[in-house]
Amino acid sequence: QQPVQSPQAVILREGEDAVINCSSSKALYSVHWYRQKHGEAPVFLMILLKGGEQKGHEKISASFNEKKQQSSLYLTASQLSYSGTYFCGTARNVTTSGTYKYIFGTGTRLKVLA
Amino acid sequence: DAMVIQNPRYQVTQFGKPVTLSCSQTLNHNVMYWYQQKSSQAPKLLFHYYDKDFNNEADTPDNFQSRRPNTSFCFLDIRSPGLGDAAMYLCATKGGKRQETQYFGPGTRLLVL
Repeated sequence: QQPVQSPQAVILREGEDAVINCSSSKALYSVHWYRQKHGEAPVFLMILLKGGEQKGHEKISASFNEKKQQSSLYLTASQLSYSGTYFCGTARNVTTSGTYKYIFGTGTRLKVLA
Repeated sequence: DAMVIQNPRYQVTQFGKPVTLSCSQTLNHNVMYWYQQKSSQAPKLLFHYYDKDFNNEADTPDNFQSRRPNTSFCFLDIRSPGLGDAAMYLCATKGGKRQETQYFGPGTRLLVL
């Protein structure tokens, strides 16, 4: 099953903060976060591999609660360049190939206004 | 310094006319993925290769095939495109068996007339 993200869409003014949540009904062993601009490929933001891990990338950070099967992405002091669709993703081990495949969440559209 | 290259960036085909999309990489990664992304949806994995080993997703239509003649190249063949196959097709690569990030190409947008 695909992880579910909330909210589905959010509109911010420049400088405001936002939180995007990602929740899975299956165990999460890792969480990946991506941002995708319209017509472009997803851009990797960060990966969280351990429960309780928090990572930061400029003014964008994320947390991972393995027990609750949830992750959150925090955007602080948002900039116009933050606009796009954010996807969480999780890795699933593929026993036949011995590697991982990635399942994307439902996505959150974020728009930052000047 | 493009690392994952997809050609063409835009492809127009006719209903039922076979089409091939290509992906090449300079990263020497073992794993290559093909995703389909329809408008306002998340990328959906179609299949992946670990080296030459092909792994199909259970819900990937038989209409979609793939070839990987060597480490650097991977092709997506759509045998008889339907209107519902219009989408962005994304190729991504990853090195090894660990949970590392995948590197995406710019995508090919397919239009079916």
